[in-house]
Amino acid sequence: DAGITQSPRYKITETGRQVTLMCHQTWSHSYMFWYRQDLGHGLRLIYYSAAADITDKGEVPDGYVVSRSKTENFPLTLESATRSQTSVYFCASSESQGYTEAFFGQGTRLTVV
Amino acid sequence: AQSVTQPDIHITVSEGASLELRCNYSYGATPYLFWYVQSPGQGLQLLLKYFSGDTLVQGIKGFEAEFKRSQSSFNLRKPSVHWSDAAEYFCAVAGSGGYQKVTFGTGTKLQVIP
Repeated sequence: DAGITQSPRYKITETGRQVTLMCHQTWSHSYMFWYRQDLGHGLRLIYYSAAADITDKGEVPDGYVVSRSKTENFPLTLESATRSQTSVYFCASSESQGYTEAFFGQGTRLTVV
Repeated sequence: AQSVTQPDIHITVSEGASLELRCNYSYGATPYLFWYVQSPGQGLQLLLKYFSGDTLVQGIKGFEAEFKRSQSSFNLRKPSVHWSDAAEYFCAVAGSGGYQKVTFGTGTKLQVIP
């Protein structure tokens, strides 16, 4: 299916565990983004990538790691999950540097217990 | 630093009534402005955007927004709301440089009653 897909949709993990959220897009968009959505904060950028093997920090990168070995995939890893990382995570992609439309995945609801 | 304020956390309107969602931004130059909609369990979808030119912008699903520089506002409007418009709406602002520069508001949740 064409589009941007995130997996899993829901995840419960324990404090201290490593967890990876997956993001896959089929358009070969250059730019990909990870956001977290928390009540009262809207969406905040965690990391973004301009191309394969090029990543950079966003507003709230601490505790997260990303990689982008292939254009279509942009996994987000929580190295040692904390309760403060309980959130809804959205992946997005856009075609270029400019403000062509960004397309969002359906989100992953992560609960850290 | 840029910022965006959506003063209304939650709005309830009757189906068929008009809608206006407020958005105020702070940015030193002419901003790029966006409105996104998030339906329950879904990702964000772009409704409309303003870059330059005509200050009244038409979007999808019958929405429009007006850029008012003097008021630093970019309010979203719809003349007649449908039950399917119930969702959360996010205003966003950016300068040049791509989506990594976009700042989102905290959102307004719209409830539509019969």
